[in-house]
Amino acid sequence: NAGVTQTPKFQVLKTGQSMTLQCAQDMNHNSMYWYRQDPGMGLRLIYYSASEGTTDKGEVPNGYNVSRLNKREFSLRLESAAPSQTSVYFCASSETLGRGARDEQFFGPGTRLTVL
Amino acid sequence: GEDVEQSLFLSVREGDSSVINCTYTDSSSTYLYWYKQEPGAGLQLLTYIFSNMDMKQDQRLTVLLNKKDKHLSLRIADTQTGDSAIYFCAEGWAGNTGKLIFGQGTTLQVKP
Repeated sequence: NAGVTQTPKFQVLKTGQSMTLQCAQDMNHNSMYWYRQDPGMGLRLIYYSASEGTTDKGEVPNGYNVSRLNKREFSLRLESAAPSQTSVYFCASSETLGRGARDEQFFGPGTRLTVL
Repeated sequence: GEDVEQSLFLSVREGDSSVINCTYTDSSSTYLYWYKQEPGAGLQLLTYIFSNMDMKQDQRLTVLLNKKDKHLSLRIADTQTGDSAIYFCAEGWAGNTGKLIFGQGTTLQVKP
């Protein structure tokens, strides 16, 4: 099992360019998440998908869109990149059984994005 | 609202104990987690505690939870250079989304 995979690993964009970050998991998990990590800010949730076909905003959704393509894949799109979106982006997934069950999130290796 | 706070940096000598602290605001959280991030990598779950527990021990790791003060701590005994990493606490709720709220992360530096 590869777990959670992300592509690309690194990306440099110019202001105004668009791009899509890809994420896939092979653990048959229900929920998937996109975070950004900035120094001193920890991880902030951008969007999440609790199940195939649903997506919800997190703490910092502005400037981003997501697509839950199927149960395995959850992509993050920057339509018009800005320097403030320079960050490390992590995708995660979890089984999410509900009913009080503990839910561990599994993380991908991250995408390091620089917007000039 | 939900908020999780941690101090940003801790430096210890190899062989000493490390204590990383965390405070949170939402007392309805069901589980509290500690994640570890090594340089250039994603986060991995280190340990967790159910909110009705006070303490959990797992080899060199001890988690203490004070629900009254909404304070969580992670103690690493006999800290090694391989423990150098960023440690995140997170709170989660029993439910159907699996959402977590993370703290800012504490960078642990272990000096030989």
